[in-house]
Amino acid sequence: AQKITQTQPGMFVQEKEAVTLDCTYDTSDPSYGLFWYKQPSSGEMIFLIYQGSYDQQNATEGRYSLNFQKARKSTNLVISASQLGDSAMYFCAMREGYGNNRLAFGKGNQVVVIP
Amino acid sequence: DGGITQSPKYLFRKEGQNVTLSCEQNLNHDAMYWYRQDPGQGLRLIYYSQIVNDFQKGDIAEGYSVSREKKESFPLTVTSAQKNPTAFYLCASMGIGGWPSYTFGSGTRLTVV
Repeated sequence: AQKITQTQPGMFVQEKEAVTLDCTYDTSDPSYGLFWYKQPSSGEMIFLIYQGSYDQQNATEGRYSLNFQKARKSTNLVISASQLGDSAMYFCAMREGYGNNRLAFGKGNQVVVIP
Repeated sequence: DGGITQSPKYLFRKEGQNVTLSCEQNLNHDAMYWYRQDPGQGLRLIYYSQIVNDFQKGDIAEGYSVSREKKESFPLTVTSAQKNPTAFYLCASMGIGGWPSYTFGSGTRLTVV
């Protein structure tokens, strides 16, 4: 069964507007971590933001913020004030527990920022 | 600067050949990972190693092999048993303890010709 689900089709967003990317996850482990990565066309994976399952507040990192809805097993990434350089694939990933530190990835969301 | 170096950036393989992808890190990280990415898809775990001289299979290990003789190095061999090896391969590392931070290399694009 897929642990991370990202189902939105490719998105176009106007420069300077906000964009929200959806991610749902499946785990029975009470301890887990959620990550968002950006992958531009060059291919490297760039870490954006992290949310721990026990964190009481939604994570924020500059223009990136998470809307963490634990009961719904959902974590949505909000990119505020979009820039042309934000055009990329965005991946949600989860690490379960503290044992093997494996990351499970979703299939990604394509974002294109238009001027 | 510390980081992960993957080489080569592009690799072409003839059918039936084994090829080895290099991954070197100078972050002093204990754990290292190999992922495969197909077009329009997320990353799938091939192998991972949490300590020198030890490694475990990931979700799609068939047709691949690894070694971890040094902390800094985690090479991946794509064997002839891998029937569909054309993909983008990413190596990552993570430091044990503290806030979990995974660092990725820039990837190797493997094409079978």
